[in-house]
Amino acid sequence: DADVTQTPRNRITKTGKRIMLECSQTKGHDRMYWYRQDPGLGLQLIYYSFDVKDINKGEISDGYSVSRQAQAKFSLSLESAIPNQTALYFCATSDPGLAGGNEQFFGPGTRLTVL
Amino acid sequence: GENVEQHPSTLSVQEGDSAVIKCTYSDSASNYFPWYKQELGKRPQLIIDIRSNVGEKKDQRIAVTLNKTAKHFSLHITETQPEDSAVYFCAARLKNTGNQFYFGTGTSLTVIP
Repeated sequence: DADVTQTPRNRITKTGKRIMLECSQTKGHDRMYWYRQDPGLGLQLIYYSFDVKDINKGEISDGYSVSRQAQAKFSLSLESAIPNQTALYFCATSDPGLAGGNEQFFGPGTRLTVL
Repeated sequence: GENVEQHPSTLSVQEGDSAVIKCTYSDSASNYFPWYKQELGKRPQLIIDIRSNVGEKKDQRIAVTLNKTAKHFSLHITETQPEDSAVYFCAARLKNTGNQFYFGTGTSLTVIP
């Protein structure tokens, strides 16, 4: 089945380290997103990309950067991790051809802990 | 940007009863309102959605209503079952900011057998 995958699924790192979270999809969707989820705060958009040459900041982009290496790959980087970036990170995709791109398909999530 | 507020944050109901979760949004330019269900340790999945030109939509035991004038929308689950226990998120898509989605803070629903 076409899917959205994320690696790693769990990661523990130390303050100041650079870390990259990767997202791959076999759905053939053009649009990809990175969200973080914190208890009691729901999902907050970090960055999104509507095609390989398009990168946009979301609500909470400070401290993060992204790279859209191909239609199927969208990576999120923390250049210098800090403890308040400890969260569950979700990648998502959508397809404007499917009912206007309304539905977002989420990956399984990456649990990141910054010590 | 958009501000989506969701209530209640937790909800417990007896099996077979109805559950209602309410969301409000701030920007009248929002035009699409999905609801996602997230089971423990799983990814969010779309369960129902509504566009701004529709007032109500039903799919078996779940329904969503939208009041554009008041800028609020609600999820209704009837005849609740234990497998409905999960966290539910509402969201609003703001058309004039590149179609960004703004999520509510979630409602943890527990259905007591």
